Amino acid sequence: DADVTQTPRNRITKTGKRIMLECSQTKGHDRMYWYRQDPGLGLRLIYYSFDVKDINKGEISDGYSVSRQAQAKFSLSLESAIPNQTALYFCATSDLGQGFSQDTQYFGPGTRLTVL
Amino acid sequence: QKEVEQDPGPLSVPEGAIVSLNCTYSNSAFQYFMWYRQYSRKGPELLMYTYSSGNKEDGRFTAQVDKSSKYISLFIRDSQPSDSATYLCAMSEIGNFNKFYFGSGTKLNVKP
Repeated sequence: DADVTQTPRNRITKTGKRIMLECSQTKGHDRMYWYRQDPGLGLRLIYYSFDVKDINKGEISDGYSVSRQAQAKFSLSLESAIPNQTALYFCATSDLGQGFSQDTQYFGPGTRLTVL
Repeated sequence: QKEVEQDPGPLSVPEGAIVSLNCTYSNSAFQYFMWYRQYSRKGPELLMYTYSSGNKEDGRFTAQVDKSSKYISLFIRDSQPSDSATYLCAMSEIGNFNKFYFGSGTKLNVKP
């Protein structure tokens, strides 16, 4: 079974709808992240959480919110979806790397979201 | 100007060729450099990481960092069709756990 799972894998919705993307992990990591990937722009950080009580905005948090329900679960919400939020969304987890204090991030399979 | 620049490709090579993938960056504070491989319809997976300058080898893969030129490379020897994927470089400042800067990825196709 995959260590990092995302649901749904694909979603088509309409402008103005509320959407929730969910992420679960069995790696036992404290740190979780949400990224979006757009062609030509690479991965951009939306939100990150270092533990259940810690939520931080990333590079492009406007229009998004998150909830860390448990160590293993981190959800991303689009309160009122708009077409330019059409993208591939990835959840990632991390723990401190061995030997030095830098993260190694493990990614889920992604959710392809289309906003019409 | 983007923090990290990467040629999107696609790069098409015959099986067995040596592949060179590259990224340039602008932030001289970057000291942790990573290469991720992303297969179609999958999430990125960490391939290699290096700390500061120099080379690191892992099997057919070699990561190279030239901090003076702000340039990193990934070399793949004896490329295989299974290496066909998008390769993303990523980098961060030491101790800045929340901020990885990703390149946009280079799509590689290794033809049998």
